[in-house]
Amino acid sequence: EAQVTQNPRYLITVTGKKLTVTCSQNMNHEYMSWYRQDPGLGLRQIYYSMNVEVTDKGDVPEGYKVSRKEKRNFPLILESPSPNQTSLYFCASTARGQGTGATEAFFGQGTRLTVV
Amino acid sequence: AQSVTQLGSHVSVSEGALVLLRCNYSSSVPPYLFWYVQYPNQGLQLLLKYTTGATLVKGINGFEAEFKKSETSFHLTKPSAHMSDAAEYFCAVRGPRSGAGSYQLTFGKGTKLSVIP
Repeated sequence: EAQVTQNPRYLITVTGKKLTVTCSQNMNHEYMSWYRQDPGLGLRQIYYSMNVEVTDKGDVPEGYKVSRKEKRNFPLILESPSPNQTSLYFCASTARGQGTGATEAFFGQGTRLTVV
Repeated sequence: AQSVTQLGSHVSVSEGALVLLRCNYSSSVPPYLFWYVQYPNQGLQLLLKYTTGATLVKGINGFEAEFKKSETSFHLTKPSAHMSDAAEYFCAVRGPRSGAGSYQLTFGKGTKLSVIP
């Protein structure tokens, strides 16, 4: 089954304690990205990756890091989490489109992070 | 830069009534447009998408949307609401058709649909 898997689904941590949220896709997609979802703000992109070893900032990258060492994995790293990073996080992957077609993003189930 | 505006953060309809969720976009190029649905405690699932061709797009669960270039709109409709349609709906526009950023999705703030029995 084609899917994007995030872990953990729920996480409560303390300010300043480094954490990693993992994301893995089994569809051989080139493009992966991370979003955060906050009430009334919709989804905002944090970082994205066009392919292995190619990453770039999205709209709200401050306080986050990512890496893309393998095509299937795209972990999100919070080196020193702060309470304003309490949010619902989604990983997504998208296949490279052909011609004028557009491929859709497939989303993981989400990780609800609370930083106290 | 692209943007998406969804009118109404919360819409309530009676079961069996028409569902209309509004989405307007801003894009300097012909857009790729998407509607996603999010059920409680779940990720986002694609309802439908517009890329090229027919402007009336049919999706899953009886939903459809019409791309109107002159109005820069992509409203989502369903003729008869069902209790299972209660969820949050997101309209999104994708980046330019080529180059850096072409895969980036810009989302609206979402519309929460309630269905009243």
